[in-house]
Amino acid sequence: AQSVSQHNHHVILSEAASLELGCNYSYGGTVNLFWYVQYPGQHLQLLLKYFSGDPLVKGIKGFEAEFIKSKFSFNLRKPSVQWSDTAEYFCAVNFNNDYKLSFGAGTTVTVRA
Amino acid sequence: NAGVMQNPRHLVRRRGQEARLRCSPMKGHSHVYWYRQLPEEGLKFMVYLQKENIIDESGMPKERFSAEFPKEGPSILRIQQVVRGDSAAYFCASSPQTGLNTEAFFGQGTRLTVV
Repeated sequence: AQSVSQHNHHVILSEAASLELGCNYSYGGTVNLFWYVQYPGQHLQLLLKYFSGDPLVKGIKGFEAEFIKSKFSFNLRKPSVQWSDTAEYFCAVNFNNDYKLSFGAGTTVTVRA
Repeated sequence: NAGVMQNPRHLVRRRGQEARLRCSPMKGHSHVYWYRQLPEEGLKFMVYLQKENIIDESGMPKERFSAEFPKEGPSILRIQQVVRGDSAAYFCASSPQTGLNTEAFFGQGTRLTVV
């Protein structure tokens, strides 16, 4: 079955630390990949997406993600986090151009000032 | 251009009551999707609707849950005779089209608490 897994449930960091959140999926076919963020009390917001092309994707707010097809992974990174990055982060995958998104369980990131 | 609007943001219902969740898609979007997030889990697809049509309801529980997207007005997710297990965050998303390279835009969600 197609599934999405996020490695960490809760990550706690200090400001200026580097962040990497893991995301893996189980499917060998065509995928579209997304990272969403939900700040407290706000809507789910798209951070970045991968459809095709350069596997290193730049998103908003200094985030980037790398699609490694051989590892079925799409890890999210930010070199230096800020307190305002405190949020919940969701990896989502669209399998075979289907309209449905399959989400990971989410990672809560807490950045301490 | 306003984003996807969901209301209410928070809804408390007693067991056995009905819950109605509303979603107004972004302007120009005719495709609406509902997802549910249970505690400690990721969002799970429930239903996909276009104007006046249910396209895919494979993620909807077979009983008590229904969804509509009328010609005029918002999409409604309706839960009859709610139970404690229905407590969750319900997210609506919309898109202008579907298929290849389509991005869905999400609302803030409605957090349903059944007491």
